[in-house]
Amino acid sequence: QVHLQESGPGLVKLSDTLSLTCAVSGYSVSSDHWWAWIRQTPGKGLEWIGYIYPSGSTYYSPSLKSRVTMTVDRSRNQISLKLTSVSLVDTAMYYCARSIGGAVRGVDYWGQGTPVTVAS
Amino acid sequence: SYVLTQPPSVSVAPGQTAKITCGGSDIETKSVHWYQQRPGQAPVLVVYDDGDRPSGIPERFSGSNSGDTATLTISRVEAGDEADYSCQVWDSSSYQAVFGGGTRLTVL
Repeated sequence: QVHLQESGPGLVKLSDTLSLTCAVSGYSVSSDHWWAWIRQTPGKGLEWIGYIYPSGSTYYSPSLKSRVTMTVDRSRNQISLKLTSVSLVDTAMYYCARSIGGAVRGVDYWGQGTPVTVAS
Repeated sequence: SYVLTQPPSVSVAPGQTAKITCGGSDIETKSVHWYQQRPGQAPVLVVYDDGDRPSGIPERFSGSNSGDTATLTISRVEAGDEADYSCQVWDSSSYQAVFGGGTRLTVL
C-alpha cells in the first residue's frame, strides 16, 4: 500500500525559508511516477505547487516558480519542498501526492498533509 | 492561464442524483480529474481521465466531459457523500496543473 507522510516545522517566520519533506513507503520514488506538492489555504481551494520526476525534471506553478525548489532523495525514498521568502499568504495545509501513472495528470495517492503557519 | 469554474454549492436529497459541473475553455480536449474532500481529511481521487474510477470508488460516481463543461455525477446520493468536490486538469499549453475552486455538496 502506498503511503505518503509529510513533515515540517509547523511554524515559519516571515521571509524565512519553508522546508517540507514527504516520506514515501510502500512504493519507490524512483519509479515511473511524478510527485506533486499541493497546498490548501484555510477555507479555500486546492493550489498546485509543482511536480517532480525521479530524474529531477520539474514543473512549477508560474506564480511560485521563483521561490520553489523540489527535490527527490532516492536513498531516503522521499521528496522535499523548499519555499523561500514566505509571507502570510503561504499559510496553508501542504500535501504531497503521487501522479496517476507516468505522465503529469492528476494524482491518486495523497498524504494527510502538514499545516504550515507563517507568522512574524 | 487556464481557468476552471465550479459552482460554490450543490444541494441534493438522499437517493437523488447530484451533478457537479466544471467549466473551462474547450475542456473536452483535456483529461479531467475529480477529488472528494471531507472536512478535516485529505482529498481522495474519485474519477480520473474524465470518467474512470479508481479501485474502491463506488460505481455511483461517474464523469463526463464535452464542449466547455465536465460533469461529475453522483447517483443515489448518500449522507456520506457530503463533501467538497474539486476538478483538476493539466494545461499542456502553460505546463501547469489547474484546480477548480471546489463545490460543496450538501445532502439535505
